[in-house]
Amino acid sequence: KNQVEQSPQSLIILEGKNCTLQCNYTVSPFSNLRWYKQDTGRGPVSLTIMTFSENTKSNGRYTATLDADTKQSSLHITASQLSDSASYICVVPRRDSNYQLIWGAGTKLIIKP
Amino acid sequence: NAGVMQNPRHLVRRRGQEARLRCSPMKGHSHVYWYRQLPEEGLKFMVYLQKENIIDESGMPKERFSAEFPKEGPSILRIQQVVRGDSAAYFCASSRYDPNTGELFFGEGSRLTVL
Repeated sequence: KNQVEQSPQSLIILEGKNCTLQCNYTVSPFSNLRWYKQDTGRGPVSLTIMTFSENTKSNGRYTATLDADTKQSSLHITASQLSDSASYICVVPRRDSNYQLIWGAGTKLIIKP
Repeated sequence: NAGVMQNPRHLVRRRGQEARLRCSPMKGHSHVYWYRQLPEEGLKFMVYLQKENIIDESGMPKERFSAEFPKEGPSILRIQQVVRGDSAAYFCASSRYDPNTGELFFGEGSRLTVL
């Protein structure tokens, strides 16, 4: 079983709509959880890094939430734009390592005009 | 401040040839990581290096693959005697601090095609 599970695998929404992407992790304890955005053919770009003490963190139209008790995180995108079409990846540091990150498989988001 | 620079962006090799991928980290960053990504798949960790040291190469195939990060110059990922299965995008990332706390910055990747 993957230690970082993301859902849905893919999502199509209309421009202007909101959406929420989910991430469940089993790594425990953990120091932080990260969300990355990867445009097709490009390198990943960090959206947010949350520590276990943070419940919510916003970056423009992106808002990440974290529930350390249930080991769930979500990424909410408000008023989606065509440029939001990308893969969104949840990443958690490995428990037995200071430096290895466990990457989720990502949610592929497509925004349609 | 330039970002992480990778070159070449695209590389075509025939089976049996060698591929060398280069990565210059961001200024002030001494931690470098290499990841591989197959089409429609997630990133897979390969190796983590600091200047002149390999910290963790547990994600790298035991044969044909090697990585270095010399005191001077870029980090190099070297693939000897390439096979078709090596075709993938190879991403380099760098950070100022260790990855547990430091943010990773990625390059645009090097896309290797093996004919």
